Amino acid sequence: GENVEQHPSTLSVQEGDSAVIKCTYSDSASNYFPWYKQELGKRPQLIIDIRSNVGEKKDQRIAVTLNKTAKHFSLHITETQPEDSAVYFCAATRSGGSYIPTFGRGTSLIVHP
Amino acid sequence: AAGVIQSPRHLIKEKRETATLKCYPIPRHDTVYWYQQGPGQDPQFLISFYEKMQSDKGSIPDRFSAQQFSDYHSELNMSSLELGDSALYFCASSSKRGSANEKLFFGSGTQLSVL
Repeated sequence: GENVEQHPSTLSVQEGDSAVIKCTYSDSASNYFPWYKQELGKRPQLIIDIRSNVGEKKDQRIAVTLNKTAKHFSLHITETQPEDSAVYFCAATRSGGSYIPTFGRGTSLIVHP
Repeated sequence: AAGVIQSPRHLIKEKRETATLKCYPIPRHDTVYWYQQGPGQDPQFLISFYEKMQSDKGSIPDRFSAQQFSDYHSELNMSSLELGDSALYFCASSSKRGSANEKLFFGSGTQLSVL
């Protein structure tokens, strides 16, 4: 099955700095990689995703990059704000069929004002 | 837009009691997933249903069972509760039809505390 590793487990930055969270996956058949943001006690919310036919995707201050050869993908947050503080989970899965997303262990991002 | 509805939001039970968690997926979504998330942990997949049939099974204990009904809502039944079952239980839904069939939308979760 799929195995997703996520690093770092905790990331502390100053407001305005950039933050990068990295994930690796093991199943070369995985072709869909979502990122979820989870605030304390709340639901995971999809913030951005990328498919394997794309190398990079950007949405305002958030971007995701994918290196299929190396089987790793990263979340980049620029100009961080205190409200970005949350736990971020990466996941990997295959499109179609009954494939269950495999989640990384999560990264707790703390943005200091 | 309608979201995934879970009830109850909080549940307190004693050891060895039973609990039933309910999930109402987004309208026209045909797939429901159940996840268990312990404190500081990533969501662990328990079980999923597609078109009212069990689709995949993860780390769901034998003491737990689940089903999806004709209106697509799902219930997770938990018996002989143990202290270790205390966790946040999320339901998520997706639609296998269409091009974005991998996107999971999560409910707000049920916080289960077993005393």
